[in-house]
Amino acid sequence: AQRVTQPEKLLSVFKGAPVELKCNYSYSGSPELFWYVQYSRQRLQLLLRHISRESIKGFTADLNKGETSFHLKKPFAQEEDSAMYYCASGGNNRLAFGKGNQVVVIP
Amino acid sequence: DADVTQTPRNRITKTGKRIMLECSQTKGHDRMYWYRQDPGLGLRLIYYSFDVKDINKGEISDGYSVSRQAQAKFSLSLESAIPNQTALYFCATSDSKRGGSNTEAFFGQGTRLTVV
Repeated sequence: AQRVTQPEKLLSVFKGAPVELKCNYSYSGSPELFWYVQYSRQRLQLLLRHISRESIKGFTADLNKGETSFHLKKPFAQEEDSAMYYCASGGNNRLAFGKGNQVVVIP
Repeated sequence: DADVTQTPRNRITKTGKRIMLECSQTKGHDRMYWYRQDPGLGLRLIYYSFDVKDINKGEISDGYSVSRQAQAKFSLSLESAIPNQTALYFCATSDSKRGGSNTEAFFGQGTRLTVV
């Protein structure tokens, strides 16, 4: 069974400080990894996925198969980054989500 | 724009009542999912459907049932609602024919259900 672990529930950072959200996954096959973001009172939306290896809104995430991790990083947090972030692993034709990280960026 | 639409957006119901949450999509995706979101628990999969004739239980299907009336519609029912089913419910879709990824999900706006 797939499992996604996001250890921190709440992360508070000052504007301009770096942000790192940890994500570890367990899946025996070759998973697809995603980060989803949910801004206040909005639907979940895809932030980025490991396949595309892109930077979105200044966020990046690198898949480390040896450590089974897909940590999300941004060097300088902005106030608009305050949101709920979910790591997700795709495999067996469905997504498994972590419990989420609430990020609060302090002005 | 192609979208995933959930109705109602908010609902308060009494314990023991039957309630149906509806989801429709104009994305032309074949796969549809129902999740519930609870604080501290993240999103948990209730049911999923790969096509009209394919319905599968997720990790927390007890107390719920679903109906895939058409490729574009996937309804979630609570036959006899109980207070611990109070949650935010999300419908999602994905496309098995999408090149490069068949698990990327597109979400509806959510239905906030309160069972009193």
